[in-house]
Amino acid sequence: SQQGEEDPQALSIQEGENATMNCSYKTSINNLQWYRQNSGRGLVHLILIRSNEREKHSGRLRVTLDTSKKSSSLLITASRAADTASYFCATDAGGAGGTSYGKLTFGQGTILTVHP
Amino acid sequence: DGGITQSPKYLFRKEGQNVTLSCEQNLNHDAMYWYRQDPGQGLRLIYYSQIVNDFQKGDIAEGYSVSREKKESFPLTVTSAQKNPTAFYLCASSISVAGGEQYFGPGTRLTVT
Repeated sequence: SQQGEEDPQALSIQEGENATMNCSYKTSINNLQWYRQNSGRGLVHLILIRSNEREKHSGRLRVTLDTSKKSSSLLITASRAADTASYFCATDAGGAGGTSYGKLTFGQGTILTVHP
Repeated sequence: DGGITQSPKYLFRKEGQNVTLSCEQNLNHDAMYWYRQDPGQGLRLIYYSQIVNDFQKGDIAEGYSVSREKKESFPLTVTSAQKNPTAFYLCASSISVAGGEQYFGPGTRLTVT
């Protein structure tokens, strides 16, 4: 079953604009991760946010997590054409006693297109 | 140059044949994973391994088999029992199954006709 659902499914913006993608999930999590995938390639890890964190930054990326709403958002500021890719959220629900088994459940992704 | 390699990049097989996809990592990671990705979809977990000589079924293990005889290697066999094997297959590894980021290989696109 798909734990994460992403919104929007596709996003088209101009270079320099900000891009916001949202992810909702259904069960409790240990952490939530965002990945990027260029067409036909493997995934690249962007950022991990733990269940006790509310916001995290990495360069032009800002991730928020609201565990009460079971949702997360990824903001890419000052987007570039090179940011064009699919972006996936993945949840790690962990195992008994809070130990994560590293099993990630992925959403269906948001396709971001940044026009130069 | 550390990383995960998958070979081949493209693979074509006839229906009814078993096929083995290779995944090798030199990151000294304990945990390895196999995912399947269908067009326009997210990734679904097939099998994962926490340690050598041990592996667990993921969400869609039927029709697949794996082995983990060496820490560096986690090959996936797509058997003839897999009803719809055409897909993009991704291998990943992480330092341990205690969680954290996963490192992905470039993927193998399997087409079965």
